[in-house]
Amino acid sequence: QAQLVQSGAEVKKPGASVKISCKTSGFTFTLYAMHWVRQAPGQRLEWMGWINGGNGYTKYSQNFQDRVTMTRDTSASTGYMELSSLKSEDTAVYYCVREPLGPLGYCRSTNCPLDYWGQGTLVTVSS
Amino acid sequence: DIVMAQTPLSLSVAPGQPASISCKSSQSLLHSDGKTYLYWYLQKPGQAPKLLIYEVSTRFFGVPDRFSGSGSGADFTLKISRVEAEDVGIYYCMQSIQHQTFGQGTRLDI
Repeated sequence: QAQLVQSGAEVKKPGASVKISCKTSGFTFTLYAMHWVRQAPGQRLEWMGWINGGNGYTKYSQNFQDRVTMTRDTSASTGYMELSSLKSEDTAVYYCVREPLGPLGYCRSTNCPLDYWGQGTLVTVSS
Repeated sequence: DIVMAQTPLSLSVAPGQPASISCKSSQSLLHSDGKTYLYWYLQKPGQAPKLLIYEVSTRFFGVPDRFSGSGSGADFTLKISRVEAEDVGIYYCMQSIQHQTFGQGTRLDI
């Protein structure tokens, strides 16, 4: 069974950076992409970007292009998301989410579902 | 960005009764490969979202058959044939034809 386990809650001051980890197990890390999605209080889920677990290619949402960096450590089957220049509006729960680099397994398309989610990491930005 | 709009934003359903959630996208989700990339998720209280349905109508592993998805183009529906207590939570639709965007969520109460 695929598992994604994220690092713990963080409290940061405005202007600081935060780096969240997402350790995976139960599947071959390099055959999947890792997306990051956040959920601010009272807001809808917001996609931030993704990283190809195999070749490290990244694609970021324009909303975060200048502030986000996604990396991975294939030897540890772990992905990372770093967000810089934090503002109070960045207070949110951040999720890592797996996507098969299809077609793969149950997914018969090149565009596969975001299927398994980490438990979420609460980031609070406050002075 | 493609905007996803869900209705209703909340609904209360008695156990054993049906429920229906609508999701409309600002443009067609039909890809040039012939597939339509519309998904449904359920976020139970205090949990991360879980995938229910992908490509409009295919149930993910372990999802009960009381859940069904339908629709085409830019107009989609999630139906629960007989609501159970464990179905409480917030339902989201999501598109992935142009990156990923989510609906605002529909809260289901019993």
